Amino acid sequence: VVMTQSPLSMPVTLGQPASISCRSSQSLERFDGNTFLNWFQQRPGQSPRRLISKVSNRDSGVPDRFSGSGSGTDFTLRISRVEAEDVGVYYCMQATHWPWTFGPGTRVEIK
Amino acid sequence: EVQLMESGGALVQPGGSLRLSCAASGFTVSSNDMSWVRQAPGKGLECVSVLSSGGTEYYIDSVKDRFTISRDNSKNMVFLQMNSLRAEDTAMYYCGRSSAAWGQGTLVTVSS
Repeated sequence: VVMTQSPLSMPVTLGQPASISCRSSQSLERFDGNTFLNWFQQRPGQSPRRLISKVSNRDSGVPDRFSGSGSGTDFTLRISRVEAEDVGVYYCMQATHWPWTFGPGTRVEIK
Repeated sequence: EVQLMESGGALVQPGGSLRLSCAASGFTVSSNDMSWVRQAPGKGLECVSVLSSGGTEYYIDSVKDRFTISRDNSKNMVFLQMNSLRAEDTAMYYCGRSSAAWGQGTLVTVSS
């Protein structure tokens, strides 16, 4: 399954919203109705951290300014108000089909 | 608290072998799918292997027949045996509790 993301680079203004699109080459809905689409944040020099699982479930400790939505092949990560600590690369990743595959990443930077 | 600590990365010559280890705490390895994900320098993420809680092994094509994932339930650890290493295997390797939590990684460099 090929994952694509847009944009690949995103200059954002502090306090403003941001949105990242992720598309898969085939549906990520499994036979049991689960959709294993995850979002990760990788800050500079750090390992990836999962933010969102199964499309829209925020992981523990993730600020509520992060939200995920979508279905089938089209998904979106939204940041309601960008903060300085949100700088990094964001990846979508599907774990419905083997091999698990990641998008190319979207680099978020502050204007 | 879930913690994962990888070790075993090193500089190795092409054709050589390495065994990566991952020590887990805060959860039971045998009850979870465990993964190894790698990131080549300046590049994106690639999941190379998964060991399901039921013991099924998954590998991407480029490492099949060269890498072996395993676990030691008594030590709550996961391993990645890497043989016939190639330059393109150079990467930071992260151990994961499925996709939920990853360690800080261990660096594998394959070069003569």
